[in-house]
Amino acid sequence: EIVMTQSPATLSVSPGERATLSCRASQSVSSNLAWYQQKPGQAPRLLIYGASTRATGGPARFSGSGSGTEFTLTISSLQSEDFAVYYCQQYNYWPTFGQGTRVEIK
Amino acid sequence: EVQLVESGGGLVQPGGSLRLSCAASGFTFTNYWMHWVRQAPGKGLVWVSRIKSDGSSTSYADSVKGRFTISRDNAKNTLYLQMNSLRAEDTAVYYCARDPLFGGLLGGMDVWGQGTTVTVSS
Repeated sequence: EIVMTQSPATLSVSPGERATLSCRASQSVSSNLAWYQQKPGQAPRLLIYGASTRATGGPARFSGSGSGTEFTLTISSLQSEDFAVYYCQQYNYWPTFGQGTRVEIK
Repeated sequence: EVQLVESGGGLVQPGGSLRLSCAASGFTFTNYWMHWVRQAPGKGLVWVSRIKSDGSSTSYADSVKGRFTISRDNAKNTLYLQMNSLRAEDTAVYYCARDPLFGGLLGGMDVWGQGTTVTVSS
């Protein structure tokens, strides 16, 4: 099983600031990585797939990068609706998710 | 509108059974692999099972293998998860999700249902 490790567990950011979330795979997953946003009481929502392709309807302030074992999700200027938990997920093998990064208001 | 709607969750005793349903609408259900993913209270997402578009191939996480069965009725645009021999650790919100085959690979999920809650407790 590929283990996905996200850091930090919690990120405190002020509205308008930039947020950078990291995700590491225990072995290479090529670019077969997705990012999801989950708000309390809601289902996950796809943000990024293929490590860097924004999903349909995804705001341009979200961008993904990386390949192999190291990946990054960047939110260029945090809006109030962006405070949520973010999960990375690899689909190069049997799908596995990271434990999540909570983005909270500073 | 593309939509997935789960139902069938509830409270069940350890050792009991439950069948979850996921009704799909707004897209051609028969074209897609489908998944079940669960989330225990306060925890992260865990993949449970998947099924091919025509139902001919299924896969399971080791934690549910031999106890859960995924199936689909393409005539009814509905996905199912039959859960037997339930344990306390199966307590979770269960989501169904669509697989768009990003880059021709299985495992990505672009549309999710709102989830249905399963509680296993005596």
